[in-house]
Amino acid sequence: DGGITQSPKYLFRKEGQNVTLSCEQNLNHDAMYWYRQDPGQGLRLIYYSQIVNDFQKGDIAEGYSVSREKKESFPLTVTSAQKNPTAFYLCASSISTGSYEQYFGPGTRLTVT
Amino acid sequence: DAKTTQPPSMDCAEGRAANLPCNHSTISGNEYVYWYRQIHSQGPQYIIHGLKNNETNEMASLIITEDRKSSTLILPHATLRDTAVYYCIVRARGGVIQGAQKLVFGQGTRLTINP
Repeated sequence: DGGITQSPKYLFRKEGQNVTLSCEQNLNHDAMYWYRQDPGQGLRLIYYSQIVNDFQKGDIAEGYSVSREKKESFPLTVTSAQKNPTAFYLCASSISTGSYEQYFGPGTRLTVT
Repeated sequence: DAKTTQPPSMDCAEGRAANLPCNHSTISGNEYVYWYRQIHSQGPQYIIHGLKNNETNEMASLIITEDRKSSTLILPHATLRDTAVYYCIVRARGGVIQGAQKLVFGQGTRLTINP
């Protein structure tokens, strides 16, 4: 089955530690995205990538970093510089960044204490 | 981008059709209507989109009024698993990419399917 996987589903870290969230897709999509969702809120775009080896900052990129070395993979690192890292992180992909038909993974709930 | 207005909550009996309205009176000619839903603690799920013709897929039907100022998402035989928050968004599609086509959700409609 084609889809997007994110791991782990729940992640706990101590303040000051960097943590990397995994996102893999086998939909052969060029575009991938990372969003953050806080309780009762909508989605906020962190980073996006249109093609391999290219990525752009979204609205809230500070304290985050990404890489896109393979078409299938778009990992997100939450660094210690991110002031409020506890959130629900969602990865998505689409055929291109011109498409609003984005397909989401199940999400990773990160808790930093 | 056109703004959308949806009722904050709705209830529907299991097995009945759920009709979710969305007003988008400032929609422009090149903007599509998209519907997503988000089940609690899961990622959003794309449902359907349309421009001016009614659309149907395996999940739902989308009815867009002739003046395109409103639309209705129809889940024909709602099940308990359809309980979710449903989001209607309006966006232009394709064209020159100015930036990521990021999804911006409003408050949506919290649909509860009752047994």
